[in-house]
Amino acid sequence: GAVVSQHPSRVICKSGTSVKIECRSLDFQATTMFWYRQFPKQSLMLMATSNEGSKATYEQGVEKDKFLINHASLTLSTLTVTSAHPEDSSFYICSFDGGSRYEQFFGPGTRLTVL
Amino acid sequence: KQEVTQIPAALSVPEGENLVLNCSFTDSAIYNLQWFRQDPGKGLTSLLLIQSSQREQTSGRLNASLDKSSGRSTLYIAASQPGDSATYLCAVSPGKVGGGADGLTFGKGTHLIIQP
Repeated sequence: GAVVSQHPSRVICKSGTSVKIECRSLDFQATTMFWYRQFPKQSLMLMATSNEGSKATYEQGVEKDKFLINHASLTLSTLTVTSAHPEDSSFYICSFDGGSRYEQFFGPGTRLTVL
Repeated sequence: KQEVTQIPAALSVPEGENLVLNCSFTDSAIYNLQWFRQDPGKGLTSLLLIQSSQREQTSGRLNASLDKSSGRSTLYIAASQPGDSATYLCAVSPGKVGGGADGLTFGKGTHLIIQP
């Protein structure tokens, strides 16, 4: 399967600061990628879909001005959580669309804790 | 809106047993269904992907079946081992005229413990 890296793996920050999470595919290129988040004991929920070179499409209830997505290239996407608050503490995980079968390949995730 | 349900929520069995995990989805218009494994605090490992036109897929001790019309999938694990302990997630990709990738809808998972 394809390899996706995500950095940082864990971040702790103070309320009001911004945090950038980087997602990179190491051995393939993909036009479409996704960001999900997972609260404790909950399922993964899709936050947004982005296509390289286009603006991201956000799911209902996800603030586009708070969660900034930059899909800079076919192998790199970043999620910036702006002015983070404790309720943004979650596990954020990215995935890339794998191509013909639309199989998704996931990064290892980022655990964000906002104090 | 698609909803995915996984039963049971948790399962603990002795090593060596064969077991079945269940997944159901409300909208049968799916493109594919994937089973993932998630270890505590970790990302997802893809186990099996079944296209909507397929009935089952096998990989080693794992076998996944899909009954699209009834909105069900099962993951069969043969001869379970302690290393199989993890949370197993089922996710569906929505059907889309003309294709195109779309986000997955996940179930809450089955937390599996295999007792040595």
